[in-house]
Amino acid sequence: KAGVTQTPRYLIKTRGQQVTLSCSPISGHRSVSWYQQTPGQGLQFLFEYFSETQRNKGNFPGRFSGRQFSNSRSEMNVSTLELGDSALYLCASSLTSGQGGQETQYFGPGTRLLVL
Amino acid sequence: QKEVEQNSGPLSVPEGAIASLNCTYSDRGSQSFFWYRQYSGKSPELIMSIYSNGDKEDGRFTAQLNKASQYVSLLIRDSQPSDSATYLCAVRGESNYQLIWGAGTKLIIKP
Repeated sequence: KAGVTQTPRYLIKTRGQQVTLSCSPISGHRSVSWYQQTPGQGLQFLFEYFSETQRNKGNFPGRFSGRQFSNSRSEMNVSTLELGDSALYLCASSLTSGQGGQETQYFGPGTRLLVL
Repeated sequence: QKEVEQNSGPLSVPEGAIASLNCTYSDRGSQSFFWYRQYSGKSPELIMSIYSNGDKEDGRFTAQLNKASQYVSLLIRDSQPSDSATYLCAVRGESNYQLIWGAGTKLIIKP
């Protein structure tokens, strides 16, 4: 079974631009979570989508948004990029939304975004 | 604010020794606990999950859970240089879909 895929893998943008990242979950998985990871900050939760609905949202400004399509693929968008948005953006998929607690998240390889 | 705490390290362990990684959590209702390993520049990969008090073994890895004391640990026996990585602890509450992540412990296995 293919794993979680993310595109693009690397991206360079300039301040003020916007960017869209894509995530395709493992086949059959309906939940997709997005994280931002910067050196020394650990994994910062952005949001989670399940069946096209946002179920959870982290403490990020409104410039960060996402959506999920009927085939469970997800995109996240960052508008008006800032230098501090440079990070590794990770997508993780799980079978369901985690209710009941035992769902495991599987990560994609990440998209490394550099904002100049 | 639900929190998961890990010692950031680095934790240096000689090759062949036992590496012990610890994680404490604040939400007493937490039900599921996960250990992930992350190599530099790579994404996290699941090592083990544990849901019940006690020990769970998988090869050289043992996860230990103590819900009364609100800690979960990961033991790595016969540590190898390839075990050098950052280990992330993640905790999910009883009714919360969201995983709460620790900041990770950097482990260095010295040959």
